[in-house]
Amino acid sequence: DAGVIQSPRHEVTEMGQEVTLRCKPISGHDYLFWYRQTMMRGLELLIYFNNNVPIDDSGMPEDRFSAKMPNASFSTLKIQPSEPRDSAVYFCASSYSTGSSTDTQYFGPGTRLTVL
Amino acid sequence: AQTVTQSQPEMSVQEAETVTLSCTYDTSESDYYLFWYKQPPSRQMILVIRQEAYKQQNATENRFSVNFQKAAKSFSLKISDSQLGDAAMYFCAYRSRWTDKLIFGTGTRLQVFP
Repeated sequence: DAGVIQSPRHEVTEMGQEVTLRCKPISGHDYLFWYRQTMMRGLELLIYFNNNVPIDDSGMPEDRFSAKMPNASFSTLKIQPSEPRDSAVYFCASSYSTGSSTDTQYFGPGTRLTVL
Repeated sequence: AQTVTQSQPEMSVQEAETVTLSCTYDTSESDYYLFWYKQPPSRQMILVIRQEAYKQQNATENRFSVNFQKAAKSFSLKISDSQLGDAAMYFCAYRSRWTDKLIFGTGTRLQVFP
């Protein structure tokens, strides 16, 4: 399997611009997670989906952040408008149904976002 | 709320030697999972090892093993025969049996010297 795929790997944008991060989970995984990693706050869960339905978005920092999962093989995380404090590495992870022995989360390579 | 603590911001080890990274957690639950993830300079989060709380036997993956002490809420990672490629940030993580959220520690940076 190709693993979790994220694009782009690097994104540099200016404050106020819209940013869209993309994720393709591992085929067959029914859970998808979006994380953000910063030096100050470490790894934070932003939102996660089960069978394409958002389950918990309590980690989404502000209304400027939104996430969608239109089908089982694709998800987006959008920031509009972006701000310098959004600069971070954003990870996508996927897993099988939790509660089973195969529910480990597998991470993508991350997208490093820099907002100038 | 559950918390995960990694008290060693940095560790170093000589190549071929053994190193142990510490992790403690706080939970009132009895059924949960614990993980160690490795993050090399490439940023990729790589699963190293996983432990189910109901299993008394410590998990082992090649040169990586854990010392799981449930009563003490301790979950340390032992790396034997350290290699230069083991140099990375190591994150301990907790997940309750009843939720989908991973809770991460702050990480330990491991340096490996030749």
